Amino acid sequence: GENVEQHPSTLSVQEGDSAVIKCTYSDSASNYFPWYKQELGKRPQLIIDIRSNVGEKKDQRIAVTLNKTAKHFSLHITETQPEDSAVYFCAAITGGGADGLTFGKGTHLIIQP
Amino acid sequence: DTAVSQTPKYLVTQMGNDKSIKCEQNLGHDTMYWYKQDSKKFLKIMFSYNNKELIINETVPNRFSPKSPDKAHLNLHINSLELGDSAVYFCASSWGNQPQHFGDGTRLSIL
Repeated sequence: GENVEQHPSTLSVQEGDSAVIKCTYSDSASNYFPWYKQELGKRPQLIIDIRSNVGEKKDQRIAVTLNKTAKHFSLHITETQPEDSAVYFCAAITGGGADGLTFGKGTHLIIQP
Repeated sequence: DTAVSQTPKYLVTQMGNDKSIKCEQNLGHDTMYWYKQDSKKFLKIMFSYNNKELIINETVPNRFSPKSPDKAHLNLHINSLELGDSAVYFCASSWGNQPQHFGDGTRLSIL
């Protein structure tokens, strides 16, 4: 089955700086890669996603890149703000989605004022 | 209106009991899921289900069983609860491999 590795487990950045979270996946058949943000005590919320036929996608301060050859994908957050503090999860899914998402272990992003 | 709703939000019970968690989605999605988030925040798929097939993660004990009375509902039944079952359980839904929407979670605590 699919295995997703996520790094780092904790990331502390100064407000206004950029943050990058990296993930690798094992199953070359995976074709959809979402990123979820989870605040304390809340549900995971989708913030951005990318499919295997696209190399990069951007939404305001958030961008995701995908390297299918290396089986890497990354989340980039620019101009970080205090409300960006949360746990971020990458995930991968194969085919029609019936197997469910395989998640990375999460990155605790801390924005220092 | 909440798109994916779970009840109860909190569930505290004793070891050995049987309990159920309900999930309903009003998005018209064809696939529903149950995920478990443990104390280390690790999210793991337990089941996925549409009107054609049930896929069970092989690591899930058979004390856990999903039941779907219709396409909008996927309930989770747990028999003979154990201490290790303490976790937050999230229901989610999607249309095929489109983005999954999560419910607010049910925090299960076993005494």
